[in-house]
Amino acid sequence: GENVEQHPSTLSVQEGDSAVIKCTYSDSASNYFPWYKQELGKRPQLIIDIRSNVGEKKDQRIAVTLNKTAKHFSLHITETQPEDSAVYFCAATGGSQGNLIFGKGTKLSVKP
Amino acid sequence: NAGVTQTPKFRVLKTGQSMTLLCAQDMNHEYMYWYRQDPGMGLRLIHYSVGEGTTAKGEVPDGYNVSRLKKQNFLLGLESAAPSQTSVYFCASSSLRDEKLFFGSGTQLSVL
Repeated sequence: GENVEQHPSTLSVQEGDSAVIKCTYSDSASNYFPWYKQELGKRPQLIIDIRSNVGEKKDQRIAVTLNKTAKHFSLHITETQPEDSAVYFCAATGGSQGNLIFGKGTKLSVKP
Repeated sequence: NAGVTQTPKFRVLKTGQSMTLLCAQDMNHEYMYWYRQDPGMGLRLIHYSVGEGTTAKGEVPDGYNVSRLKKQNFLLGLESAAPSQTSVYFCASSSLRDEKLFFGSGTQLSVL
């Protein structure tokens, strides 16, 4: 079945720096790759997603890139702010029913 | 428009006790899911439903049962709780045409 690996597990950056989180997946049939942000004590919320027919997608300070050949996708956050501090999860569709399989998460800390 | 609502928010059980978690959504979504979240493990799918009266197993279904008697409700049951089921449980829903998940606020369950 699908396996999603996410790195790093923790990431600390200075305010204003960029942050990059990387995920790899195993199922070549995966075609949808969302990223969720979970603030402490809150529910996960979708922040950006990309489909397999697109290589890159941007939304203000966040962007996602997809390399289908290498089976990896990345989240890029530029000009980080303290409110970006959270746990970020990547996911990919997989399995016989195409359900989302999540990575184990990256705890991002942005220091003022 | 409340979105996805879970009850209760917190629960403490003794080993062997049973309980039911309720999830309700008012977005007329066809698909509903139950995930558990454990530290360092990400979000793992327990059971899901693609429509009223249908349920299916996810990644970690053992020890849980579900029912979807009405389109807007998805119930998760623990017949005989075990300490290994101590976790945060999230319900989510999505529409037939879109994989985007909308999560509830979660239930913190402790089994002593």
